[in-house]
Amino acid sequence: DVKVTQSSRYLVKRTGEKVFLECVQDMDHENMFWYRQDPGLGLRLIYFSYDVKMKEKGDIPEGYSVSREKKERFSLILESASTNQTSMYLCASSSENHSYEQYFGPGTRLTVT
Amino acid sequence: GEDVEQSLFLSVREGDSSVINCTYTDSSSTYLYWYKQEPGAGLQLLTYIFSNMDMKQDQRLTVLLNKKDKHLSLRIADTQTGDSAIYFCAEADSGGYQKVTFGTGTKLQVIP
Repeated sequence: DVKVTQSSRYLVKRTGEKVFLECVQDMDHENMFWYRQDPGLGLRLIYFSYDVKMKEKGDIPEGYSVSREKKERFSLILESASTNQTSMYLCASSSENHSYEQYFGPGTRLTVT
Repeated sequence: GEDVEQSLFLSVREGDSSVINCTYTDSSSTYLYWYKQEPGAGLQLLTYIFSNMDMKQDQRLTVLLNKKDKHLSLRIADTQTGDSAIYFCAEADSGGYQKVTFGTGTKLQVIP
């Protein structure tokens, strides 16, 4: 079974803090993704990575950065957290060698106060 | 860019069939997916269909694809209270890196 884990289920941070969200997958997938999910807006892609050290901006990259130093790990960084970044953050991974379906972690509910 | 549209809410009685609909705009879609999200959890892949198919059945789930109208539906037979969740339609285009565009999700409420 594919397993995608995220470092925290719930996180509370203060405005201006630097926040790290970690994601690890155990299926040797090439592609990894970070989304945020907000009511009525569905999932919006923040960044994705198709290889180690490679990254591409998604639809809403502003205020975020990412790091992929190892194939299994993809980190999302909020350089200076703001209240409008309060959201559910979902990590996913997919393989190049299948029907591209994405496997999701359980999500991190981030609250910025 | 690509767009995937779904209605936000559907309510059905336990034992009835549920039909969740989705429309998409990308004519170069390769795969189309249905995901389920239970409260407080990530998304779980339910099923997918390749764009050259028009139907796929998997136990209580039936996926219908009308490629001409860019319309995808998910039918759940004999809906149970455990089927209450948010259902996301998604499509992968033929471009690079297998980016997937998700709909806004349909919240299915099953009334006992």
